[in-house]
Amino acid sequence: SQQGEEDPQALSIQEGENATMNCSYKTSINNLQWYRQNSGRGLVHLILIRSNEREKHSGRLRVTLDTSKKSSSLLITASRAADTASYFCATDGSERGNNRKLIWGLGTSLGVNP
Amino acid sequence: EAQVTQNPRYLITVTGKKLTVTCSQNMNHEYMSWYRQDPGLGLRQIYYSMNVEVTDKGDVPEGYKVSRKEKRNFPLILESPSPNQTSLYFCASSLDPGGRGQPQHFGDGTRLSIL
Repeated sequence: SQQGEEDPQALSIQEGENATMNCSYKTSINNLQWYRQNSGRGLVHLILIRSNEREKHSGRLRVTLDTSKKSSSLLITASRAADTASYFCATDGSERGNNRKLIWGLGTSLGVNP
Repeated sequence: EAQVTQNPRYLITVTGKKLTVTCSQNMNHEYMSWYRQDPGLGLRQIYYSMNVEVTDKGDVPEGYKVSRKEKRNFPLILESPSPNQTSLYFCASSLDPGGRGQPQHFGDGTRLSIL
């Protein structure tokens, strides 16, 4: 079953602009991960944030986590055409007593126009 | 180069004809899993394996089999494929289950069409 819900489902921006995607989840978590999927390719891990962290950076990526609101956001700054992809959040199933699997959202499709 | 390799990348076949999708990883990962990805349904886990000879059902195991005889290989078997198994399939591996915070490494996918 899906836990994460990304918002928006689709986003179209111009090169150089910032892109923000949100992920909401339903149960308590130990960690949350973001992945990117280019068209026709496998998912690539971007960044992981743990439940005791509020913000994390990696290059042009900034991830925030608000456990009180059960939500996370992924910000891509100064976007490039190469950032065009689908972005997924994934959470652990700790509250369900099952940390053997990730629970995936449906993804945000980002289009960056040159 | 660290990678997860799936074969074939594309396959069109007919109902009932047994097929196997192979998956191999060269990172000495213990945990491997299979997903299918369908529009509007996202990624759904089919089976996973915690280690050699240890496999378990995911969310949508019906119609699939797996085996884990060696650490590096985790084939997905469709004994009698049906059209509702037409999908994009991904194999993934990691040091331990994704729920413990380890990043998953994905193959490039296998697009299966069952006619």
